[in-house]
Amino acid sequence: DPKIIQKPKYLVAVTGSEKILICEQYLGHNAMYWYRQSAKKPLEFMFSYSYQKLMDNQTASSRFQPQSSKKNHLDLQITALKPDDSATYFCASSQDLGGPETLYFGSGTRLTVL
Amino acid sequence: AQSVTQPDARVTVSEGASLQLRCKYSYSATPYLFWYVQYPRQGLQLLLKYYSGDPVVQGVNGFEAEFSKSNSSFHLRKASVHWSDSAVYFCAVSPFNTGNYKYVFGAGTRLKVIA
Repeated sequence: DPKIIQKPKYLVAVTGSEKILICEQYLGHNAMYWYRQSAKKPLEFMFSYSYQKLMDNQTASSRFQPQSSKKNHLDLQITALKPDDSATYFCASSQDLGGPETLYFGSGTRLTVL
Repeated sequence: AQSVTQPDARVTVSEGASLQLRCKYSYSATPYLFWYVQYPRQGLQLLLKYYSGDPVVQGVNGFEAEFSKSNSSFHLRKASVHWSDSAVYFCAVSPFNTGNYKYVFGAGTRLKVIA
């Protein structure tokens, strides 16, 4: 059974719309992350959270907003979507933040913006 | 700034042949080092990681990697590849100090194993 669930697997959106990407982890981890993978930038760090607190934000745009309603949830809201936002978005988690921790990844949400 | 370079975007090897995927990092101190693999339509999975000690670390499915401080490298090896090893392989570093939480990944090497 997958331990990190991302929903939906595929998402098609129109330019200017808003979407929420869902992530839940059942590993009992304290840290969660969002990464983005596209042809232009293979694996790009976006956010890290620890105990529901934002620790690092490497996205240049405020259109990307993570939301953590529970310790094992980290959703990603994207507003005013652009075609350049088309990518696969991966949620990941680790027992704790940084250092030697292994990252565990979900299978991703593939977003296409038309 | 820390960085990870995987100089080979694509590698093709014959089944049964040996494999080396290269990784060089740039960081002010020796970071934690990782290799991850991504199979089609899946997230990344850990192959192996290095903290300290023996520079050769063993991973899953017969993979190993060798750390070289003098070369700032962490190359991945396998003695005999199988067709199921076809995937994208990512080298990654994580800072040694706990004040910086960001993993840095290389661009990845796409491995194709042919019959």
